[in-house]
Amino acid sequence: SQQGEEDPQALSIQEGENATMNCSYKTSINNLQWYRQNSGRGLVHLILIRSNEREKHSGRLRVTLDTSKKSSSLLITASRAADTASYFCATGETSGSRLTFGEGTQLTVNP
Amino acid sequence: DADVTQTPRNRITKTGKRIMLECSQTKGHDRMYWYRQDPGLGLRLIYYSFDVKDINKGEISDGYSVSRQAQAKFSLSLESAIPNQTALYFCATSEGRYYGYTFGSGTRLTVV
Repeated sequence: SQQGEEDPQALSIQEGENATMNCSYKTSINNLQWYRQNSGRGLVHLILIRSNEREKHSGRLRVTLDTSKKSSSLLITASRAADTASYFCATGETSGSRLTFGEGTQLTVNP
Repeated sequence: DADVTQTPRNRITKTGKRIMLECSQTKGHDRMYWYRQDPGLGLRLIYYSFDVKDINKGEISDGYSVSRQAQAKFSLSLESAIPNQTALYFCATSEGRYYGYTFGSGTRLTVV
């Protein structure tokens, strides 16, 4: 069963706009991670936020985590055509043994 | 060379055949994972291993087996392939609990 659910399933924006993707999950976690996948390729790790953190930044990426609402958001600022990809959230279970991935958000950035 | 190498990249096989997918890594990580990806279903964990003597089932291990031949090598076998095992298979490694995974480029498997 999937732990994380991304919203929206698909998002289409213009270059230069910001893109926001959301992830909700069901059980307690010790960290939450975001990954990017270009079509048919391997996933690339973007950012990790621990359960005791509320916000984290990495370049044009901003991740927030609200453990009381069991939700996270990924913000990509000033998007570029090269940001076109699928984005997945993944939750780390409290035992620390493995990640459970959501179904992903397909982001299209139009030039 | 890639940090995580999967072979083959693509494979078409017949129902009932045994097939092995191989994964090797140069990251020096102890933790290795096998996931499969189906359209619209995200990634689902098949097996994972934290060292050579440690093998654990994931959420969809039925019909699959694994072997951890060395710290750097983790192979996935389908003993008798069936069409609903057609999917994209990924191997990944991790340094530990608070580290991201490094994925291979995937093996696209088609069972006919």
